[in-house]
Amino acid sequence: DIQMTQSPSSLSASVGDRVTITCRASQSISRYLNWYQQKAGKAPKFLIYAASSLQSGVPSRFSGSGSGTDFTLTITSLQPEDFATYYCQQSYSNFRTFGQGTKVEI
Amino acid sequence: QVQLVQSGVEVKKPGASVKVSCKTSGYTFTSYGISWVRQAPGQGLEWVGWISAYNGNTNYAQKLQGRVTMTTDTSTNTAYMELRSLTSDDTAVYYCTREGDTSGYIYFQHWGQGTLVIVSS
Repeated sequence: DIQMTQSPSSLSASVGDRVTITCRASQSISRYLNWYQQKAGKAPKFLIYAASSLQSGVPSRFSGSGSGTDFTLTITSLQPEDFATYYCQQSYSNFRTFGQGTKVEI
Repeated sequence: QVQLVQSGVEVKKPGASVKVSCKTSGYTFTSYGISWVRQAPGQGLEWVGWISAYNGNTNYAQKLQGRVTMTTDTSTNTAYMELRSLTSDDTAVYYCTREGDTSGYIYFQHWGQGTLVIVSS
């Protein structure tokens, strides 16, 4: 299986901050990388596909980049509703895998 | 609009089986795959497996091979996930997700509300 490793596991930030989360794949996955946001007690919400393409309706302060094995999710000007846990997920392999998550907290 | 509505909380004893349903609406059921994802208490997301609603082909996570079976009922647009020989490690919220596909890039676009499965003696 392709292993996905996120860093950091958690981070503290303030409203208005710029936040960057990193995701690394154990082998090249081209751009087959998705990002999700999950708030406590809720189902995950799909944010970004193909490493950098924003799902319709997702605010433009979210952006993704990367290819191969290294990817980033950036949130510019963090808003109160952005405090959540973020997961990367690869779809290169038919055996999908997630990163372990990054909790963004105040 | 696309909706995935899952069955309710299940409480099972170790060694038992559980079957979770995911009733879909708002799209052509056979045009998209369904994946199942689980989340143990306080833990991250874990992909369980995938089924094609078109032809019933499946892929299961290696660690669950032999214990999990995914099926669909195209007459009711419902997907099912059965997990056998349950242990306390299977205690989790189980989500069904409908895939999306843009130019071959697959993602989990729509999610059910989750079904809590508790395994306890």
